[in-house]
Amino acid sequence: DAGVTQSPTHLIKTRGQQVTLRCSPKSGHDTVSWYQQALGQGPQFIFQYYEEEERQRGNFPDRFSGHQFPNYSSELNVNALLLGDSALYLCASSPLGGMNTEAFFGQGTRLTVV
Amino acid sequence: QQQVKQSPQSLIVQKGGISIINCAYENTAFDYFPWYQQFPGKGPALLIAIRPDVSEKKEGRFTISFNKSAKQFSLHIMDSQPGDSATYFCAASGGTSYGKLTFGQGTILTVHP
Repeated sequence: DAGVTQSPTHLIKTRGQQVTLRCSPKSGHDTVSWYQQALGQGPQFIFQYYEEEERQRGNFPDRFSGHQFPNYSSELNVNALLLGDSALYLCASSPLGGMNTEAFFGQGTRLTVV
Repeated sequence: QQQVKQSPQSLIVQKGGISIINCAYENTAFDYFPWYQQFPGKGPALLIAIRPDVSEKKEGRFTISFNKSAKQFSLHIMDSQPGDSATYFCAASGGTSYGKLTFGQGTILTVHP
């Protein structure tokens, strides 16, 4: 079992550009959540996907959007990048619709906006 | 009401000592409390978790103590080792959150040999 895999591991983008990050959940998991972790901070919830729909969302602007595919993998898209979007982006997967079951994280994608 | 407050921010312990990290929450709907361990450049790894129906859970050298009335929970690391040096996060979820985790601010643990 490969666990939760994210790609790419590192990315450098310029202000105003758009970025797409990818996540493959752990085998058997159907729920994918995305988190943003700024340096020295705890992860902050961005949104969660279940059954190919955004089920809940944290306090992030509409520049952050996502998608879940029929195989449960997911993408996070960020438009009009700002310097403040520089962070570690984490994907977490859970089984059983995420009903307070264990969440497993990937290694993250380090996004640097210059 | 969604906050989880974690202390201390940093902790230095000698090898073989006990490391204790505390968290407090406000939302009484929370009913799942995991602890994550994170090494630099890596994603958080689930260490141990507890639900409010028990007051303590132990897995190897790691123990969670839970006080529902005080809305507090803590992680105890017994016989701390240099390899335990990492950042530890408490988290909470529950109610209608479908597993959305609210994290504490993190504790940087350093274990000196």
